[in-house]
Amino acid sequence: DAGVTQSPTHLIKTRGQHVTLRCSPISGHKSVSWYQQVLGQGPQFIFQYYEKEERGRGNFPDRFSARQFPNYSSELNVNALLLGDSALYLCASTQTGTPETQYFGPGTRLLVL
Amino acid sequence: AQSVTQLDSQVPVFEEAPVELRCNYSSSVSVYLFWYVQYPNQGLQLLLKYLSGSTLVKGINGFEAEFNKSQTSFHLRKPSVHISDTAEYFCAAQPPFSGGYNKLIFGAGTRLAVHP
Repeated sequence: DAGVTQSPTHLIKTRGQHVTLRCSPISGHKSVSWYQQVLGQGPQFIFQYYEKEERGRGNFPDRFSARQFPNYSSELNVNALLLGDSALYLCASTQTGTPETQYFGPGTRLLVL
Repeated sequence: AQSVTQLDSQVPVFEEAPVELRCNYSSSVSVYLFWYVQYPNQGLQLLLKYLSGSTLVKGINGFEAEFNKSQTSFHLRKPSVHISDTAEYFCAAQPPFSGGYNKLIFGAGTRLAVHP
């Protein structure tokens, strides 16, 4: 079975632009979570979606938004990009929204110039 | 607020030597604990997890970890490392399902460098 997939793999944007990152969960998984990993740090939780509804949000500004589609894939949107948004964005999926093992994708590396 | 502390930012070790990567968590309630590995330019791969039961947990690639509730620790060990174990290792905690969602709280990571 295919694992979690993310696109694109790399992205370069300039300050003020917006970006959309995409994630497809493992087949049969209904919950998707997004994490931001700044260079040299551990991942930080951004959002969790389950059955197309936002279930949780981390300490991130409103410039960050996400949604989940009927096929359980997800998009992360970031508006008005700042230099500090440069990071590896990781998507993780689980079967349900309850605590269990989260399976991570390879990530999208975003560079903001 | 819950937090995870990885006590060593870098651990150099020679090939075939044993290694221990230390992790402490702060929580007043039970948590689930995980170790993930991240190879250069890749995502996170699960090494092992502790949800309940036996405090000694065995994972992939010969790694194991021991949950110690009294010391709030979850140290990762391997009796003999290989060059291929060179990577970043992350300890993470997840509180039981509460507030309608779950999230992983990660430590800052430990860079394991295995030298020949």
